[in-house]
Amino acid sequence: NAGVTQTPKFQVLKTGQSMTLQCAQDMNHNSMYWYRQDPGMGLRLIYYSASEGTTDKGEVPNGYNVSRLNKREFSLRLESAAPSQTSVYFCASRAPAYNEQFFGPGTRLTVL
Amino acid sequence: QQQVKQSPQSLIVQKGGISIINCAYENTAFDYFPWYQQFPGKGPALLIAIRPDVSEKKEGRFTISFNKSAKQFSLHIMDSQPGDSATYFCAASLSGGYQKVTFGTGTKLQVIP
Repeated sequence: NAGVTQTPKFQVLKTGQSMTLQCAQDMNHNSMYWYRQDPGMGLRLIYYSASEGTTDKGEVPNGYNVSRLNKREFSLRLESAAPSQTSVYFCASRAPAYNEQFFGPGTRLTVL
Repeated sequence: QQQVKQSPQSLIVQKGGISIINCAYENTAFDYFPWYQQFPGKGPALLIAIRPDVSEKKEGRFTISFNKSAKQFSLHIMDSQPGDSATYFCAASLSGGYQKVTFGTGTKLQVIP
């Protein structure tokens, strides 16, 4: 039982490049989330998915897109990376009827 | 608009001392208040949580105190240990449904020997 896994762990992009951050969970959770973590800003919600087939914007969605590929996988795409998207990205999932969110180990992204 | 305000931003405590982190929220509809602990290079993990129908919850050395009328809650770490050195996030949410969680900005705790 791996919990929530994220790939890659580290990534360096040049401005304008695109990439997809992958997230998968093996806990059969319905809800999944993407956060970014910046110094002094805490965790800010980018997008979330309440269940397979649905996605909604969070607090800071601009510049990102998401895909809930199936119940296990929730990917985050940067179409044209900008230096302001340099951050640590966390994926999380939550089971129905429980309030605890389970976080992945994060992806550290640097945009030059 | 920040709905959960957390203080202090950083905290240094001697081993054996008490660490106290405070949070205040605005939305009176929130009904679930967790604290997450994050070690360097790791994702946050749930430490302890409380609902507003109780004023205090204790798990080992960790205690949440909750003041509904003041819309404030705090984390107390008794007998703080170097292994407690981490970043702590308070949060608030509406339980159930898709549960969008609002996090505080985090407190970096350092416990020195």
